[in-house]
Amino acid sequence: DAGVTQSPTHLIKTRGQQVTLRCSPKSGHDTVSWYQQALGQGPQFIFQYYEEEERQRGNFPDRFSGHQFPNYSSELNVNALLLGDSALYLCASSRDSRYYNEQFFGPGTRLTVL
Amino acid sequence: AQTVTQSQPEMSVQEAETVTLSCTYDTSESDYYLFWYKQPPSRQMILVIRQEAYKQQNATENRFSVNFQKAAKSFSLKISDSQLGDAAMYFCAYRNTNAGKSTFGDGTTLTVKP
Repeated sequence: DAGVTQSPTHLIKTRGQQVTLRCSPKSGHDTVSWYQQALGQGPQFIFQYYEEEERQRGNFPDRFSGHQFPNYSSELNVNALLLGDSALYLCASSRDSRYYNEQFFGPGTRLTVL
Repeated sequence: AQTVTQSQPEMSVQEAETVTLSCTYDTSESDYYLFWYKQPPSRQMILVIRQEAYKQQNATENRFSVNFQKAAKSFSLKISDSQLGDAAMYFCAYRNTNAGKSTFGDGTTLTVKP
């Protein structure tokens, strides 16, 4: 089992550009959550996808959007990049259940905006 | 909104000694989950231990144990017989039972001295 995978590992963009980050969930998982982790801080919840729809969203502007595909993989898109968008972006997957479901995190994508 | 506070930005411990990391949280919910995650320099967020709020018994995983005080909204992590491999950033996290977002503290950097 490959666990949660993310691509790319690192990314450098300039202000105003757009970026797409990708996440493949752990086998058997159908729910994907995205987090932004600024340097020296804890992860902040961006949004969660389930059944190809955004189920919950944190306090992030509309410049942050996402998508989930039928195979449960997901993309995070950020438009009009700002310097403050520089961060580690973490993807976490879980299995939707009324009972406890552990979130497994990927290694993250380090985004640098110049 | 739920908040998680880790008041110790940095902690250090001698190898083989015991260290306790502190965490407090705020919520109006009665049922929820609490977690401690470890994030080494490799960035992969790893679950260390979890606690269900409805359980009075403190969770234990090998050398890791928690002191869960629900009324005080306190959730500390004790690491016994510290090892060099325990050096990492540790995050306390809260999650509602609806399997939505996790709310993280800003972390505690643990240094283990040989």
